[in-house]
Amino acid sequence: EIVMTQSPGTQSVSLGERATLSCRASQSVNSNLAWYQQKSGQAPRLLIYGASTRATGIPARFSGSGSGTEFTLTITSLQSEDFAVYYCQQYNNWPSTFGQGTKLEIK
Amino acid sequence: EVQLLESGGALIQPGGSLRLSCAASGFTFTNYAMRWVRQAPGKGLVLVSAINGGGDGTYYADSVKGRFTISRDNSKNTLYLQMDNLRAEDTAVYYCAKGASSGGANYFDFWGRGTLVTVSS
Repeated sequence: EIVMTQSPGTQSVSLGERATLSCRASQSVNSNLAWYQQKSGQAPRLLIYGASTRATGIPARFSGSGSGTEFTLTITSLQSEDFAVYYCQQYNNWPSTFGQGTKLEIK
Repeated sequence: EVQLLESGGALIQPGGSLRLSCAASGFTFTNYAMRWVRQAPGKGLVLVSAINGGGDGTYYADSVKGRFTISRDNSKNTLYLQMDNLRAEDTAVYYCAKGASSGGANYFDFWGRGTLVTVSS
């Protein structure tokens, strides 16, 4: 089973600033990597799939990059509604596995 | 509009059984794999079980193998999770999630709101 490791565990960023979240896979997952956003008390929402493709309706300030074992989710010009927990997921190998999450909080 | 609506969560004693349901609408249900993902209080997301579009391929996490059974009724657009011999560590919100294709490992493009299962005496 592929282990996904996210860093940092918590990131404090000011409104309007940029956030960079990292996700590392224990072995290559090619570009089969998704990012989800989960707000408190809500279900996860798909943000990015294929490492860099935004899901329908996701604002352009969200972008994903990387391949193989190193991936990044970048959120530019942070807005109040962006503060949440973010999870990465690999779906290259069965079973798909999630990272432990990065909590993005307001500085 | 895709909608997934879970039901069946409850407070249940250890050793008990529950059946979760997920009613799907807004897409051709039989064409897509479906998953159950759980989230224990304050914890992350864990894939519990999966089933392909035709219902003839299933997956279970080791932690639930032999105790949980996933199934689907494509005529009713409904996904199920039969949970037997429940343990305290099964306490979680259980989400129904739609796979992005009919089978295989894939990302989950839509999620239900979840249903809470609490296993406690």
